[in-house]
Amino acid sequence: EVQLVESGGGLVKPGGSLRLSCAASGFTFSSYSMNWVRQAPGKGLEWVSSISSSSSYIYYADSVKGRFTISRDNAKNSLYLQMNSLRAEDTAVYYCARDHPLIVGAPHVWGQGTTVTVSS
Amino acid sequence: VIWMTQSPSLLSASTGDRVTISCRMSQGISSYLAWYQQKPGKAPELLIYAASTLQSGVPSRFSGSGSGTDFTLTISCLQSEDFATYYCQQYYSFPRTFGQGTKVEIK
Repeated sequence: EVQLVESGGGLVKPGGSLRLSCAASGFTFSSYSMNWVRQAPGKGLEWVSSISSSSSYIYYADSVKGRFTISRDNAKNSLYLQMNSLRAEDTAVYYCARDHPLIVGAPHVWGQGTTVTVSS
Repeated sequence: VIWMTQSPSLLSASTGDRVTISCRMSQGISSYLAWYQQKPGKAPELLIYAASTLQSGVPSRFSGSGSGTDFTLTISCLQSEDFATYYCQQYYSFPRTFGQGTKVEIK
């Protein structure tokens, strides 16, 4: 079964850091581009970052550029998001998502999400 | 940045209705558009990609059309399980962008 499981969310103070992880199983992780997408409480979906299969290409939303770092370890079938200098507006459910096998850029398999709350 | 205008933001409909959701781009994206369905407390699910290609397993009452700047998601005969929020998303360029969402509620 294809599965993505996020972890690492929690409550953090403004200015703090958090590292999210996403464990992949049931597919050849190293063959797919991966994404982080977030959703603030009661709001819509916001793309955060994408990384190509071999980490050669990395992209960020302007709202997180310079503060967040996406990475992956294909040997461990894992995706990461290092989040620094966190702000209240980063509070959201963070989803790890795998691209569609035929379409780069259309997230197809999604994890259940992990909640990040930034508050003092 | 490609801006997306999705409308309406709220759609009240009854079971059996035909509903249409629109997504307009600030610039042309060919057919690089996907549609997602999201239910409360759940992750989004991909319905359509390449503007009009139905994802495997998605009921045929869902259809997508359009290219360039104007796109439409149609549900031909609304079922109870279709009451949810729908999002369009462009993957023509980075940053990827989502529409604001359309909540389809029971009338």
